[in-house]
Amino acid sequence: GAGVSQTPSNKVTEKGKYVELRCDPISGHTALYWYRQSLGQGPEFLIYFQGTGAADDSGLPNDRFFAVRPEGSVSTLKIQRTERGDSAVYLCASSLSGANEQFFGPGTRLTVL
Amino acid sequence: SQKIEQNSEALNIQEGKTATLTCNYTNYSPAYLQWYRQDPGRGPVFLLLIRENEKEKRKERLKVTFDTTLKQSLFHITASQPADSATYLCALYNQGGKLIFGQGTELSVKP
Repeated sequence: GAGVSQTPSNKVTEKGKYVELRCDPISGHTALYWYRQSLGQGPEFLIYFQGTGAADDSGLPNDRFFAVRPEGSVSTLKIQRTERGDSAVYLCASSLSGANEQFFGPGTRLTVL
Repeated sequence: SQKIEQNSEALNIQEGKTATLTCNYTNYSPAYLQWYRQDPGRGPVFLLLIRENEKEKRKERLKVTFDTTLKQSLFHITASQPADSATYLCALYNQGGKLIFGQGTELSVKP
C-alpha cells in the first residue's frame, strides 16, 4: 500500500490483559516511530526504531510497554497487564531517515475496560 | 522543564481571512520545527518544515516563521477556506529522530 497501515483500528480489552498493536510502515522507510495520543492532546513520543534496533525508547512509560521490529519493516507494540490509563490512540509513523517528515498511520484506538 | 505551548483555545475565523497559529517553546534548542494537520479520527499529516537557520518558509497559502530568539513559530494560512478546518500541531525535532508535539490548536473556518 501507499501509506502507513495499522491494525487493528480499534481494540477493546479488559484490565490486566495483554495486547499487541501492529504497524506496517511505508516500504523503504528505515525509521519507525510509535506515539500515543489522548483526547485533546498532541501525540506523545514512545519509541523510535532505526532499522531493527530501538534508537530511542525513552518515551515508554514503564516496563509493561515493549516494541519490536525484527526485520526492519513491520513493528509490533506490546502492552502487558493493561490498565485503564493505557486507553488512548496509538499512532505509528515512518520516515526515510530520522530527520525527515514523518508519515503517520490512522492509529489504533485502544480502550481498556 | 521542557515545554511546548500552542493556543489552547479554538480559533474561529471567517472564510477568506488569514489564520495565525502560535507555537511557543521553552528549554529546547530545536534543530528544526514541523507543522502537521490532523483531522478527526486520522493521523497527523505533514505540512511544512523550517530549520533553525531559516526565518520563513512558504508553501502555497501556508507560511511559517521561526524565531529562535523568541522561541516561537507562527503558522499562517492566507485566504482561509472551510476545508482548512482541522487541528494544527507543531512539533520540535531536537536530536535522535523523535518529535515533541504541542497539544494542537483547533481551527474552524466559517463560510
